[in-house]
Amino acid sequence: EAGVAQSPRYKIIEKRQSVAFWCNPISGHATLYWYQQILGQGPKLLIQFQNNGVVDDSQLPKDRFSAERLKGVDSTLKIQPAKLEDSAVYLCASSPHNREPQHFGDGTRLSIL
Amino acid sequence: QQPVQSPQAVILREGEDAVINCSSSKALYSVHWYRQKHGEAPVFLMILLKGGEQKGHDKISASFNEKKQQSSLYLTASQLSYSGTYFCGTDTPGDYKLSFGAGTTVTVRA
Repeated sequence: EAGVAQSPRYKIIEKRQSVAFWCNPISGHATLYWYQQILGQGPKLLIQFQNNGVVDDSQLPKDRFSAERLKGVDSTLKIQPAKLEDSAVYLCASSPHNREPQHFGDGTRLSIL
Repeated sequence: QQPVQSPQAVILREGEDAVINCSSSKALYSVHWYRQKHGEAPVFLMILLKGGEQKGHDKISASFNEKKQQSSLYLTASQLSYSGTYFCGTDTPGDYKLSFGAGTTVTVRA
């Protein structure tokens, strides 16, 4: 089966600019996750979707980050405006349902200048 | 609140054993273990749901002590391919969100 697809792989922007990431989960997976992984740390959940609905977004900085899941399949994560501390790898993952093993994409490495 | 992993790092020679611990201050529903190699995505190893349950993946196994809110990952007869950073992720009965520890970096040398 095809894995979780993410794009772009790398992105370099200046602070205060905007950026968007795209994720296509494994076919049939109802749950989709966006994580932020800062160098040397574990992944931190930003938002979790179950089909179209948001399960948890308690750690999403909503003044600058937004995410949506289109028709319960693809998802986009946007940052506007970016800050220096947003430099990280953004990982998308999917699972058949909540609480099940997660399959991760290769991530997008974001650098803020 | 994220779980606490120990040790932070461990260096092994091929064939040696190691134990990685994961502790939480909260009552847990499940513990997930993932391995991430440098520059790659985390890969799922196993999930533990019941107190005292043990599972295995090749020569990697894990236990979950529900009463102590602790899990341990056992690397037995380590191979070069075991090198990477191991993360535990925990969730609680009332929260679907998985919180990951800071990771344990394992280096296996020939």
